[in-house]
Formats: sequence, structure tokens, C-alpha cells
Amino acid sequence: DAGVIQSPRHEVTEMGQEVTLRCKPISGHDYLFWYRQTMMRGLELLIYFNNNVPIDDSGMPEDRFSAKMPNASFSTLKIQPSEPRDSAVYFCASSLRRGLGGYTFGSGTRLTVV
Amino acid sequence: AQSVTQLDSQVPVFEEAPVELRCNYSSSVSVYLFWYVQYPNQGLQLLLKYLSGSTLVKGINGFEAEFNKSQTSFHLRKPSVHISDTAEYFCAVTQGAQKLVFGQGTRLTINP
Repeated sequence: DAGVIQSPRHEVTEMGQEVTLRCKPISGHDYLFWYRQTMMRGLELLIYFNNNVPIDDSGMPEDRFSAKMPNASFSTLKIQPSEPRDSAVYFCASSLRRGLGGYTFGSGTRLTVV
Repeated sequence: AQSVTQLDSQVPVFEEAPVELRCNYSSSVSVYLFWYVQYPNQGLQLLLKYLSGSTLVKGINGFEAEFNKSQTSFHLRKPSVHISDTAEYFCAVTQGAQKLVFGQGTRLTINP
């Protein structure tokens, strides 16, 4: 298996633009998580899905953030409009068995909003 | 609510020396505990986990951790570190719910 695949690896955008981050989880995994990592706040859980259904989005910072999972093999995290404080590394992770086997993380998308 | 405290933000050690990275958690119920490693510019990778059974857990790359319920700790150890162990290490806890709570991380630096 190729693991969790995220794209793009790096994204530089101007403030006010729409940004879409993409994630392909491991085939067969039924949980998908979006995390944000910054120096100041560490790893923050933004949202997670079970069987394509959003379960907990309490970590989504504000209405500018949205996430979808239209099928078992694809998820997106969208920021519209983007702001400089959104600059961070965004990770997608997937798991089986409620995560007790451990999460598999993607390599992340480094987002820079200028 | 569960939480995780990693007591050291940075740990410098010399190559081939032993190391211990400390992790304490707070929870009123049974927990499952994990250690993850993050190498530069990469995602997190599972090192080891404690779900039940023996309190001494062995993981990849020669790391091990011991679950201590009375002290609510799950410290990570390695008897002899290598330059390639330079990375950030994260302790995480879950109560069996779907989401992990991560600590702030400990940056391990190995000096030759």
C-alpha cells in the first residue's frame, strides 16, 4: 500500500485566495482525520470522519474551514478565504478499528499564506 | 477530559548514551497510549502502543515504553541512541474513543 497520500506537498497562496488540500486514505481504513501542526499550538485535530460521515468538527477554527469526504478514498480540506494565520502543516491520517492499531499519517501539506 | 504532558520540550544526548522521554497523562478511566516519531519534513510514524497486558511495550528502532498506572506515566526509553534517532517524539492518549490527544512533543537531538 502506498500509505496516506496528500497533495500538494507545498502550497503558497495569497491572502484571500481559496486553498484546497487533498487526501487519499489507506484502502479499507474507515476513519480519516485532519490535523494542523504549528509551532505555537502543536498538533490540533480539526475534524474526523467515520465511513465518510463527519463525526466531530469541533476543532475546525472557523467558518472559513470546511472538509468533505465524498467517498471512502478521497477527502478535501478547504480554506476560503485564506489568511496568513492559516499558515501551518496540515496532516491527514487514517485508521482502522477506531484507531487502536495506530494512525497512519500522510507526509503533510505545508501551507504558506502571504 | 484527557490530556497529555510531555515534560521536556528538548532533550540533547550524546550518541550511544541512553535516553528517556517523559510522558504523563490525565484520565479518570482506562486509556490507550501511543508514542509517535516525526522525522524532519515527514508525517508522524507509530513507534509503539499500549492497549492492555504487559506494561512494558517494545516498539520499532529499539525503543520501549513502560505503562505505570499509579503514576499515570508512559515514558519512552532507548538504551543506546544513534544519530538517526534525531526527531520529534509525540506521546498520545485515547480513552478508546476515535480521536487521539497528542502532547506538545519532545525534540530529541543526538550529538556525536
